[in-house]
Amino acid sequence: DSGVTQTPKHLITATGQRVTLRCSPRSGDLSVYWYQQSLDQGLQFLIHYYNGEERAKGNILERFSAQQFPDLHSELNLSSLELGDSALYFCASSAGLAGAYNEQFFGPGTRLTVL
Amino acid sequence: SQQGEEDPQALSIQEGENATMNCSYKTSINNLQWYRQNSGRGLVHLILIRSNEREKHSGRLRVTLDTSKKSSSLLITASRAADTASYFCATDARGGATNKLIFGTGTLLAVQP
Repeated sequence: DSGVTQTPKHLITATGQRVTLRCSPRSGDLSVYWYQQSLDQGLQFLIHYYNGEERAKGNILERFSAQQFPDLHSELNLSSLELGDSALYFCASSAGLAGAYNEQFFGPGTRLTVL
Repeated sequence: SQQGEEDPQALSIQEGENATMNCSYKTSINNLQWYRQNSGRGLVHLILIRSNEREKHSGRLRVTLDTSKKSSSLLITASRAADTASYFCATDARGGATNKLIFGTGTLLAVQP
């Protein structure tokens, strides 16, 4: 158990819908990262938050957004869903910021299926 | 693509044998991390090696890093059936405001009992 929790584990929805994925980082970790794993793209970085502020964006679509709350949990919002958004979405957390030697610990993931 | 490459893509060995996986990457790094993933489940952190380290051990795992060649290898000794999984390397690129990870394509390891 990495200490990172994600809910829900599975999500099945229809095209055009909106969903929210939730992540709680390990106790004491200030950084939260979101990654997407799909068969064709592999594991791709989406977005990074540190202590409530956005630090970097990766290959994140405009239909996707995220935020980190004062209690440090994070939510990833996916809207106008398309079939191609079906993937495993992972959240990871680490203690610090760029330049530090921080392991990133991953949650169990949310498997999103868009029908 | 920023993605690193792993080699081989798939590896099948017998229990008790050693397994070696290689990873190449493209940028200067702060560190390189190895993860294991069992059949579409979560990523388990195995080991982190810093850019100024050349070799690191953890139990049956041995990781090497050659920054001049931008490559790393993961050796699993005395493999077990329970080691069957996909293994990914991930690099924390130097510079910038984030320590996002860039993942390799993964090696699928099958250990036959």
